[in-house]
Amino acid sequence: GAVVSQHPSWVICKSGTSVKIECRSLDFQATTMFWYRQFPKQSLMLMATSNEGSKATYEQGVEKDKFLINHASLTLSTLTVTSAHPEDSSFYICSAIAGRWDEQYFGPGTRLTVT
Amino acid sequence: DAKTTQPPSMDCAEGRAANLPCNHSTISGNEYVYWYRQIHSQGPQYIIHGLKNNETNEMASLIITEDRKSSTLILPHATLRDTAVYYCIVRDSGTYKYIFGTGTRLKVLA
Repeated sequence: GAVVSQHPSWVICKSGTSVKIECRSLDFQATTMFWYRQFPKQSLMLMATSNEGSKATYEQGVEKDKFLINHASLTLSTLTVTSAHPEDSSFYICSAIAGRWDEQYFGPGTRLTVT
Repeated sequence: DAKTTQPPSMDCAEGRAANLPCNHSTISGNEYVYWYRQIHSQGPQYIIHGLKNNETNEMASLIITEDRKSSTLILPHATLRDTAVYYCIVRDSGTYKYIFGTGTRLKVLA
């Protein structure tokens, strides 16, 4: 199956700093990627749809100026959490559409802790 | 809002079949049903999907009712490694977005 990687797998940052998370499709090209976040013991919440070469589409209630998404190539999307605060601590997961039936393949996730 | 509802948790004995139900009564005619599972602190893993016919692959079987308002994922011989949260998702036909529901936490018991 299609492989999606994320980097870093975990990161700790101080409040007020920015953090960039990378999502890569390793063996296929992805024009569309998605970003989710997941709090402990909760389900995944879709944050935004990332389209190569165009602006991301954010879900209602997600601050686009805080969560900057850039999909500059067909294999890379990045999520930057700007001016991070402790409440942004979460598990961030990306996915990409691939496969014969356009299913989503998920990355392994990035655990962000803001101190 | 998620278009699916699932029981919050289920137990299954190792070696027995695990049957996980899902209701999706508002599904539209061209929307697919997808099943994924998530093992702790990992990204979700694709299992199977279907439109209206029953499907089977090396991991599981998917039974969709004739009216398409519900489905059942069947793991024929559950193992301890099948312990995970299982998500049933109705994919938006236009945007291909997934809206996750709460899922079913399956615990396989030795």
